[in-house]
Amino acid sequence: QSALTQPPSASGSPGQSVTISCTGTSSDVGGYNYVSWYQQHPGKAPKVMIYDVSKRPSGVPDRFSGSKSGNTASLTVSGLQAEDEADYYCSSYAGSNNLVFGGGTKLTVL
Amino acid sequence: QVQLQESGPGLVKPSETLSLTCTVSGYSISSGYHWGWIRQPPGKGLEWIGSIYHSGSTYYNPSLKSRVTISVDTSKNQFSLKLRYVTAADTAVYYCARPYCGGGCHIDYWGQGTLATVSS
Repeated sequence: QSALTQPPSASGSPGQSVTISCTGTSSDVGGYNYVSWYQQHPGKAPKVMIYDVSKRPSGVPDRFSGSKSGNTASLTVSGLQAEDEADYYCSSYAGSNNLVFGGGTKLTVL
Repeated sequence: QVQLQESGPGLVKPSETLSLTCTVSGYSISSGYHWGWIRQPPGKGLEWIGSIYHSGSTYYNPSLKSRVTISVDTSKNQFSLKLRYVTAADTAVYYCARPYCGGGCHIDYWGQGTLATVSS
């Protein structure tokens, strides 16, 4: 299984919206509605922000939303805040209880 | 609240076996769920290593399958990772985690991570 493709960087000003893409294949992203997104601050463990394409765990602000079309999933962060600056990783179910991750996107709040 | 804590040697010699243990608190492993390992080389992205179901069934990343063994010790509420024939490319922060698999899987609990360095 190959890593999912994410842009290395994204940026936006406070209050703006930014969308991060995650492209896979029909064997992972396109084959299942089981994409998740993780936020990772420096030196910390990742935290799930979105699962099953568009579901938010309890406690995650509704500024975070997810979607999917074909082999590409997207994470949108609306109303950017300084604390949203972090690395974001997508992940997809790849069958047989295996996961595949994206290479990560560094989100900068300008 | 489920908590996971990795432990094990921080330095491993090339060609030897990296062994890590994850101690789970706040939940009995034997009650259910998958339990897994994920790694992150310094400055790089996350890589799925594999997981074990509470019953003992294992699921491995195909690219690592030939070198990986994940096992569980329900009496100690721990699960473990062994990665054989390590090279410098295996240097990474290793996270133990709980994949919640209900149809698909996502990680709902993570350990804090432990750095394992492969060097002579």
